[in-house]
Amino acid sequence: QSALTQPPSVSGAPGQRVTISCTGTSSNIGAGYDVHWYQHLPGTAPKLLIYANTYRPSGVPDRFSGSKSGTSASLAITGLQPEDEADYYCQSYDSSLRGAFGGGTKLTVL
Amino acid sequence: QVQLVQSGAEVRKPGASVKVSCKASGYTFIGFYLHWVRQAPGQGLEWMGCINPNDGDTKSAQKFQGGVTMTSDTSISTAYMELTRLSFHDTAIYYCAIAYASGPYGVYFYYGLDVWGQGTSITVSS
Repeated sequence: QSALTQPPSVSGAPGQRVTISCTGTSSNIGAGYDVHWYQHLPGTAPKLLIYANTYRPSGVPDRFSGSKSGTSASLAITGLQPEDEADYYCQSYDSSLRGAFGGGTKLTVL
Repeated sequence: QVQLVQSGAEVRKPGASVKVSCKASGYTFIGFYLHWVRQAPGQGLEWMGCINPNDGDTKSAQKFQGGVTMTSDTSISTAYMELTRLSFHDTAIYYCAIAYASGPYGVYFYYGLDVWGQGTSITVSS
C-alpha cells in the first residue's frame, strides 16, 4: 500500500480539464515535503512534469500545473490532448528522506 | 549531455541474485544522490532507495531493507543495485535516476527526478 493515495483512473474529453489528487500523511506531504509529478508512458522512462509542488521543468507545457495544500496535492491538466493519455504519479519524501510514489492514475482521453 | 546508461536485461531463477549497473556521464557523479525505482508488470512506480556516491550513504524504503544493496564506484562513475534472494515478485523494470536540477551537493528532495536511465528488465523465472 502506497504512502501516497491517488485515484486509479480519471478521464476527460479533448480540450477539457482534469485533476488528479494525491493524498499523503503528516509524515510526508503534511510535514512540508514537496510533491513532484511524473508522466509515464509504456516502455519509456518516467518524465518529470512538476517539481516542488508547482514548478514546471523547461519544456513542459503550461497546460500542466500543480498545487499543494495541507496533506494533499493536485495535478491539473487543461486543454486535454490525446497524447496526454498516460499514467501519472505523485512522489514525495518523509522525515527520513525516504521517497515514495503514489499508486498512479491512468488518464484516459475520451 | 547528462546521461544515465543502465546494464542490459537479465533472467534469474528464484533465490538467485542480480546486480544492475547505472553509468553516469555529463555531470559530477559524486555530487548527486542516485535513486533506484522499479515497476513490476501491471503495477505502479516504487521508490527503492538512493545512494550518495560521495560518501556511500544510503537510504532504503522499508520494504527493501535487507534485500537490496546499493553501491557505487566513483572511479568509473557507476552505481550498482544488487537484489538478493530473488522471488517472482522481483520481476520488474528497474530504473536509476537523479535530481539533476538540485545542483551538485544540493537538496534532492526539493526537486523531482529529472534524469533517468533507460531501465533494466529483470525477469525471475524458474
